[in-house]
Amino acid sequence: LAKTTQPISMDSYEGQEVNITCSHNNIATNDYITWYQQFPSQGPRFIIQGYKTKVTNEVASLFIPADRKSSTLSLPRVSLSDTAVYYCLVDRGGAGTALIFGKGTTLSVSS
Amino acid sequence: NAGVTQTPKFRILKIGQSMTLQCTQDMNHNYMYWYRQDPGMGLKLIYYSVGAGITDKGEVPNGYNVSRSTTEDFPLRLELAAPSQTSVYFCASSYSGEANQPQHFGDGTRLSIL
Repeated sequence: LAKTTQPISMDSYEGQEVNITCSHNNIATNDYITWYQQFPSQGPRFIIQGYKTKVTNEVASLFIPADRKSSTLSLPRVSLSDTAVYYCLVDRGGAGTALIFGKGTTLSVSS
Repeated sequence: NAGVTQTPKFRILKIGQSMTLQCTQDMNHNYMYWYRQDPGMGLKLIYYSVGAGITDKGEVPNGYNVSRSTTEDFPLRLELAAPSQTSVYFCASSYSGEANQPQHFGDGTRLSIL
């Protein structure tokens, strides 16, 4: 599976837009890019997934350039409750294929 | 929808005791998974199931057993608990094993073996 690299930590203020970029240089043709959010003492929560171009849902947007070697998670107008660890994963699918969570990006939102 | 529900949330066991970690999902997902997460480490797959009556080993199955008698439930059994099994256990489910079907996780069971 393609290894992912993302910043260890980011700081922001309430109301700002936050963009977290993840690199995945060795992504394969059939891989999807998936982002999870995790709060302390909780399980990872699925945020968004994409294959190429742009995907948007009620929580976030995901931008994927044509070469798919990176992706950017965009969180509009963050609040204090968005303080969490964000994980970028490359998902190949397949029964028995475990998801690989790296260290993630710890986002701290201040007032 | 409750999603994926795990019970108990916390448990302390003595060495040699046994217990069952419960996992149930109400999303009619076919695939279910058990992971463990040790402090500062990523998730490791213990067992998975692609449907009722079908289970298979992941990368760290020793010391555990599973069953899948219904689509909704996927319990994890620890026999003869050992200190090395102290961890946080996450259950997850997905509609299928395809890459565009993300896994959805429960909130975990924190298990300490003393």
